[in-house]
Amino acid sequence: GAGVSQSPRYKVAKRGQDVALRCDPISGHVSLFWYQQALGQGPEFLTYFQNEAQLDKSGLPSDRFFAERPEGSVSTLKIQRTQQEDSAVYLCASSPTSRKETQYFGPGTRLLVL
Amino acid sequence: AQSVTQLGSHVSVSEGALVLLRCNYSSSVPPYLFWYVQYPNQGLQLLLKYTSAATLVKGINGFEAEFKKSETSFHLTKPSAHMSDAAEYFCAVIPSGGGADGLTFGKGTHLIIQP
Repeated sequence: GAGVSQSPRYKVAKRGQDVALRCDPISGHVSLFWYQQALGQGPEFLTYFQNEAQLDKSGLPSDRFFAERPEGSVSTLKIQRTQQEDSAVYLCASSPTSRKETQYFGPGTRLLVL
Repeated sequence: AQSVTQLGSHVSVSEGALVLLRCNYSSSVPPYLFWYVQYPNQGLQLLLKYTSAATLVKGINGFEAEFKKSETSFHLTKPSAHMSDAAEYFCAVIPSGGGADGLTFGKGTHLIIQP
């Protein structure tokens, strides 16, 4: 069956531009997670949704980062006024229930801010 | 706060040799533990997980890991390395009793397989 998909796979932005990254979780999955993976590092948790509710946004690095999941399926991570330090791979994961120990990851979106 | 330490950013083994990737965690209560593999330009694939059942966990592709509470370790092993095992490996934790919504990852170990 279809896994988690993310688009675009690659994004180049000029510093100061706004970007939007999309995540399509596995159909019917309740939980959705966003992670940021800097070059040569492990992923770091950004935010968590249970259905359409954003229950945890403690990992978002600044108020330039905003995520939404309005209908409890597709999610969008938006970064406003991008900075060079935002360059990273952004990973999305979903889980079939509210339990968090089974997360299925998408291929990621590689963002490069010039 | 919990943390994960992976010893060795790069590990090189010969094809057919034993693979040992080390992971130690820091947590007041034994967490749930995971090993993920990441191939270039791909997402993370779950190799195996420990969720307080058997301490020796078998995963995909011939990998296994043993949870040792006394050593706060969850090392990943494979008896015989294959060229296709070359990838980045991440150890991760999440509290078993709740209290965190995301996985905490180590920095990763790049596994190199020598022919």
